Amino acid sequence: DVKVTQSSRYLVKRTGEKVFLECVQDMDHENMFWYRQDPGLGLRLIYFSYDVKMKEKGDIPEGYSVSREKKERFSLILESASTNQTSMYLCASSFDGGDTDTQYFGPGTRLTVL
Amino acid sequence: SQKIEQNSEALNIQEGKTATLTCNYTNYSPAYLQWYRQDPGRGPVFLLLIRENEKEKRKERLKVTFDTTLKQSLFHITASQPADSATYLCALDMGRRALTFGSGTRLQVQP
Repeated sequence: DVKVTQSSRYLVKRTGEKVFLECVQDMDHENMFWYRQDPGLGLRLIYFSYDVKMKEKGDIPEGYSVSREKKERFSLILESASTNQTSMYLCASSFDGGDTDTQYFGPGTRLTVL
Repeated sequence: SQKIEQNSEALNIQEGKTATLTCNYTNYSPAYLQWYRQDPGRGPVFLLLIRENEKEKRKERLKVTFDTTLKQSLFHITASQPADSATYLCALDMGRRALTFGSGTRLQVQP
């Protein structure tokens, strides 16, 4: 069974802290994605990666960075957390061999920045 | 700019009826469209994919249509059950490696 796991379900941080969100997939997928989801705004793509050490900006990359040192792991970094980064963060992965991009999602991390 | 629209208002229906959700898009011709289900506090789960050359796709009680002229997809759940209550998201390939998701429509099936 395919699996995407995220390091925390709930996280509370203070303004200015550096925050790491970790995502691991066990499906040997090439592509990995980070989204944030806010009421009324849907899923918005922050960054994605199509290979180890490769990354591309999504629609809202400001205030975030990512790291992909190993194929199975994709980290989202908030360099200096701010209250407007309070959100649900979702990681996903997909296979790069076919002509579709069906994505498999993790359970999400609900981050609160105080 | 590219845009995906799903009805932001919740859809409330009675158990046993058919639920129909709409996904409209503009300014692009996707090669395929996907539908996902999301339960509260969970990540979305893939349900169905339909390609541009397919008019209709079925899976058990689910049916998806894709009208590339109208730039619209309809998602139907027949004989709906309270367990079908969730938010349903459509997602499109818009020419980049990542999908673009709509904001979703919440379905509530009343027993």
